[in-house]
Amino acid sequence: AQSVAQPEDQVNVAEGNPLTVKCTYSVSGNPYLFWYVQYPNRGLQFLLKYITGDNLVKGSYGFEAEFNKSQTSFHLKKPSALVSDSALYFCAVRDENSGYALNFGKGTSLLVTP
Amino acid sequence: DGGITQSPKYLFRKEGQNVTLSCEQNLNHDAMYWYRQDPGQGLRLIYYSQIVNDFQKGDIAEGYSVSREKKESFPLTVTSAQKNPTAFYLCASSEGAGGPLETQYFGPGTRLLVL
Repeated sequence: AQSVAQPEDQVNVAEGNPLTVKCTYSVSGNPYLFWYVQYPNRGLQFLLKYITGDNLVKGSYGFEAEFNKSQTSFHLKKPSALVSDSALYFCAVRDENSGYALNFGKGTSLLVTP
Repeated sequence: DGGITQSPKYLFRKEGQNVTLSCEQNLNHDAMYWYRQDPGQGLRLIYYSQIVNDFQKGDIAEGYSVSREKKESFPLTVTSAQKNPTAFYLCASSEGAGGPLETQYFGPGTRLLVL
């Protein structure tokens, strides 16, 4: 069975400060991890994914994520937050045995204040 | 939202009525998916299709039906058997046949409301 947890319902950050949105996962095989962002009443936009290789993955809009196998985590980060980064962020996971099934976390609402 | 379109943006359903949500993609993707999004629950998979004329149930298929007669189209029908249909419905597609490495790309969504 596979699952993903986003322990924070909301993260508040001041503009210009670094941000972190947390994600932990549980899979039976090798994990494939994804981050998506959703703006109000819009679909999900793909940010980045980890398949294999370098543990630090760089994605769209200056976001990056760090894969940590020992801690089973895949936290999303950005060095300097923008007000326009305020949105709902979803972590998702598959493993090599699950094929189509993309298991999403419940989402974390990020609020960046000026 | 790329080359995936969903219509309508808002849809109202009366009791006992079947309604159909449209999803079209011009990305030449093989696999297509339907998800339901409820507040605080993330996304849950309703149906997916890896190729034309083939589809499989996801985690919450009861009360829903789909068809895949064309590669670019994957309509979802919400039947009267779905007792709590109010939600945001998202269509997605991926390039191959839905393998574990593929990225899914999403449409803009349809919000379904019950009158």
